[in-house]
Amino acid sequence: DVKVTQSSRYLVKRTGEKVFLECVQDMDHENMFWYRQDPGLGLRLIYFSYDVKMKEKGDIPEGYSVSREKKERFSLILESASTNQTSMYLCASREYTEAFFGQGTRLTVV
Amino acid sequence: EDQVTQSPEALRLQEGESSSLNCSYTVSGLRGLFWYRQDPGKGPEFLFTLYSAGEEKEKERLKATLTKKESFLHITAPKPEDSATYLCVPCSGSARQLTFGSGTQLTVLP
Repeated sequence: DVKVTQSSRYLVKRTGEKVFLECVQDMDHENMFWYRQDPGLGLRLIYFSYDVKMKEKGDIPEGYSVSREKKERFSLILESASTNQTSMYLCASREYTEAFFGQGTRLTVV
Repeated sequence: EDQVTQSPEALRLQEGESSSLNCSYTVSGLRGLFWYRQDPGKGPEFLFTLYSAGEEKEKERLKATLTKKESFLHITAPKPEDSATYLCVPCSGSARQLTFGSGTQLTVLP
């Protein structure tokens, strides 16, 4: 009954590396989102996409980019990872009546 | 600007002690309100969608209700496994994004 799948549960990357976080949904949803979640700050929107090849910046897009080449797949890219990007990353997929999250990726940048 | 406030921030209950969590929102053109449960280190788990004032939905020991300005999550005779953070997410018809509350961290003691 998996709906939203993130490629990794845990990642450890070095400062300056290019990092790819992948997310796949099987519900044919148009809207997909990337959030990061940090203690005391809640969920903050990084980017979202409302159609293939379409994207919009969220509240904290700096240092990130995204790619959506197919409807079911939404990728988050850290162009040059920094220690302040250590966080829990959550992908979500939404239609108007429902919204589901992946299991999260705990990224540590050292 | 859409806003949502959840209270209390944290709640400790004894097993079997019923209580309610509150979600106050200001959203233009509410399309629906989602409730999620989130366990530490995991992605939010979808619980309910409420669409209109007066609507109620139930799942096991949880019942969610909706008014024009608030939603309540009632927990009846909770068990320790109900311990989690509960997130309220009102969805605006004018925005694709999801506006998250900061959540209520519920702890149920045996």
